[in-house]
Amino acid sequence: QVHLQESGPGLVRPSETLSLTCAVSGGSTRDRNYHWGWIRQPPGKGLEWIGSIYYSGTTYYNPSVRSRVSISSDTSKNQFSLKLTSVTAADAAVYYCARHILRSGGHTWLDPWGQGTLVTVPS
Amino acid sequence: QSVLTQPPSVSAAPGQKVTISCSGSSSNIGNNYVSWYQQLPGTAPKLLIYDNDKRPSGIPDRFSGSKSGTSATLGITGLQTGDEADYYCGTWDGSLSAFGGGTKLTVL
Repeated sequence: QVHLQESGPGLVRPSETLSLTCAVSGGSTRDRNYHWGWIRQPPGKGLEWIGSIYYSGTTYYNPSVRSRVSISSDTSKNQFSLKLTSVTAADAAVYYCARHILRSGGHTWLDPWGQGTLVTVPS
Repeated sequence: QSVLTQPPSVSAAPGQKVTISCSGSSSNIGNNYVSWYQQLPGTAPKLLIYDNDKRPSGIPDRFSGSKSGTSATLGITGLQTGDEADYYCGTWDGSLSAFGGGTKLTVL
């Protein structure tokens, strides 16, 4: 059974870089059947997909954050990471990592999800 | 502003049936498969339905999904108080993974 766990600072100051890591257990980030993604949820609001990475290193990013985001993978540690630069108050959210099924023909879903980690951006 | 439109809230009594709609366009739902997620208060989202109408192992058959054209529907029968949650639809849209704005289900 695959399990994902996010980790990283809970507070990031404006203009600084948000860095989070997702540790994967019970599965492998080298599995060619899956991508690995990040999703965020501002307090009291809905879900926003940030981006995903394939075992090969191919990445897909939401255009809304493309200029500021980078997702990378460390297969030796079986984890993947998110970096978001120049953060503002609008980036305050619970950040989730998830296994992302993304296949040709329009098949896409996210399962399972990590428990999430809250990132606060003080004003 | 979400590319997929869901009603903000729905409600029904225990034991009843409820449906939640998800409306999109040809660039998303019309040409891709839909998934549904349940988010209980204070927890991470959980996959309920994938590929429009398939249930992952462990999801009871009280939950069902369907798709027609550019819209999708989540159905829940035999409502329980434990079903009170936010529900999100999701699909692929061009070059990104998109979600609906979410629907809060209240079991009266």
